[in-house]
Formats: sequence, C-alpha cells, structure tokens
Amino acid sequence: EAQVTQNPRYLITVTGKKLTVTCSQNMNHEYMSWYRQDPGLGLRQIYYSMNVEVTDKGDVPEGYKVSRKEKRNFPLILESPSPNQTSLYFCASSPWAGGTGSNSYEQYFGPGTRLTVT
Amino acid sequence: ELKVEQNPLFLSMQEGKNYTIYCNYSTTSDRLYWYRQDPGKSLESLFVLLSNGAVKQEGRLMASLDTKARLSTLHITAAVHDLSATYFCAVGRNTDKLIFGTGTRLQVFP
Repeated sequence: EAQVTQNPRYLITVTGKKLTVTCSQNMNHEYMSWYRQDPGLGLRQIYYSMNVEVTDKGDVPEGYKVSRKEKRNFPLILESPSPNQTSLYFCASSPWAGGTGSNSYEQYFGPGTRLTVT
Repeated sequence: ELKVEQNPLFLSMQEGKNYTIYCNYSTTSDRLYWYRQDPGKSLESLFVLLSNGAVKQEGRLMASLDTKARLSTLHITAAVHDLSATYFCAVGRNTDKLIFGTGTRLQVFP
C-alpha cells in the first residue's frame, strides 16, 4: 500500500532532550516536507526536500534540522526541544515530476506525530 | 512574501444549503491545493489546481481558480453532515515553500 509513515505517533519529552521523528514513503517520491500544525495557525512548513541531499527552509525552520540521505526517508531532528515546539507534526511527500498534470504535485500526508515538550 | 487568507474561519450551515469558502493569496502562484481534515486525523487531498480557470468537482464539492484575481473558491452544494470537517487551502510557487491558509471549520447540522 502506498503510504507515508511517521514514528512515533505520540511523544512526550522534556526540554533539551534530543529527539528524532522519522518519516518514510514507499512511493519513490522526489519531494518531501515537514509541517507543524498549531490551533489558529493552520499548517506551517518547517523544511522541505526536492531530492536526496537537497533540503531547504520553510516558514518556521528555527530549532529543527532535517536530512535526506535516502530518497524514501526524511527525518526531523529536534536537537534541544523547547515547550514552544509542542505541536502536531506532519510529514508529506509528492512525486513532483514536473509537467502539467496535477497528479505530479499531489501531496500525500502521513498520519501525524503529536509532540509534547514539558 | 506569499500570504494566504481563508474565509470564513467558521461556517455553520444547514443540510441541503449551498455555500462557498474563499481562499485569497497575495502573490503569483502556480499551484493551489484544497485539503480536508477530520478531527484528530491527517489531511486528505481534495483538489490540485494548476491553471487559471481550472475547475474540479468531486461529489458535492467544486473548486475553482482565478489566478488573475488570486482567488480560489471551494463551493459546497446541498451540504450533508458528512462534509463537516476543517478545510484548508494551500498555495505554492515553483520550488518555493507551500503556504497554508488557517482553515475553515465547517459544521453541517440537520
């Protein structure tokens, strides 16, 4: 089944304790992205990646790191989490195959990771 | 800077009625998305609109794009309770980041 998976789905941690949220897709998609969702703010893009070893900042990259060493994986790293990073996080992937077809730009979202930093 | 505004933020409508959600954006874009999110769930893709005048329909939902006015609409026809959810539009340009609207929370009552 074509899907985007995230782990863990729920995480409670303490300030300053490094953590990684994994994201994996099995659709051979070029594009992957991380978002955070907060009440009243919608979704905001943290980082995105157009291909292996190519990453770029989104709207709210501060406090986060990413890497894209393999096409299928795009982990989100919080080196020193703080309470303001408590949020719902979504990973997404897209074929980004170019051309004029809308399917090329379709984004598929993972199930989400609810992170609480105390 | 690309900004996206959605309105209304909340919409309570009776079953059988029609209504429209609006998505305005501030700069040139070449991709516009509509998503649905149910409480506690992930985002479900509804439509991807790429060109001026694009119109797509799925069931009781129809989305359109006017790139000159920088406006997309999501029209709901004869609403049913199952359409209750939060709807987001999102706008992107080339390889730039994707900007989401703050969402429209739709509640359909009998």
